[in-house]
Amino acid sequence: QKEVEQNSGPLSVPEGAIASLNCTYSDRVSQSFFWYRQYSGKSPELIMSIYSNGDKEDGRFTAQLNKASQYVSLLIRDSQPSDSATYLCAVRRNTGFQKLVFGTGTRLLVSP
Amino acid sequence: DAGVIQSPRHEVTEMGQEVTLRCKPISGHDYLFWYRQTMMRGLELLIYFNNNVPIDDSGMPEDRFSAKMPNASFSTLKIQPSEPRDSAVYFCASSLALAGLSYNEQFFGPGTRLTVL
Repeated sequence: QKEVEQNSGPLSVPEGAIASLNCTYSDRVSQSFFWYRQYSGKSPELIMSIYSNGDKEDGRFTAQLNKASQYVSLLIRDSQPSDSATYLCAVRRNTGFQKLVFGTGTRLLVSP
Repeated sequence: DAGVIQSPRHEVTEMGQEVTLRCKPISGHDYLFWYRQTMMRGLELLIYFNNNVPIDDSGMPEDRFSAKMPNASFSTLKIQPSEPRDSAVYFCASSLALAGLSYNEQFFGPGTRLTVL
């Protein structure tokens, strides 16, 4: 079992819809969770972080964490074609350490 | 402000040759990370440094890979000898030191696309 799992997609949504990206992780001691966006041919960039159970909202983005189910998700409201990218879920196991484990990413396609 | 700088951006070499990838982290950052990204395995951490000292090299695939950080502004990742299965995009990233229990964002360089024929 991979430590961080994501559906590779592509996830196709029409412009204006809500895109829902999901991620599961295997290590129960994981403390911190991150979503990175990576455009084709570019480097990853951090868009959201979440540390506690529940929801965290930032503009059109909402991260959701459920530690009991070992599940983290990213919702993108009012999806735009510019949101088309690969979204990487990353998990940090222990506090005090910078090491991240990444999933293989979900490709999102937003059609006009 | 300049971000993380990597060179070369593209490298094509033949199997058996030595390859050296270079990275200049963001000035003032204490952590430096080397990652490898492939379609099959995604983004994998190879090694990371704190204040120029290697902290965790458990992701380095084998002895053919080595990394150094001689000073705070420069790091190299060397593959000798290279093999076709080393073909991937190699990213360098840097971040500030931790503040308590918080996490400091890792800023990625543009990557080096390596092709080993």
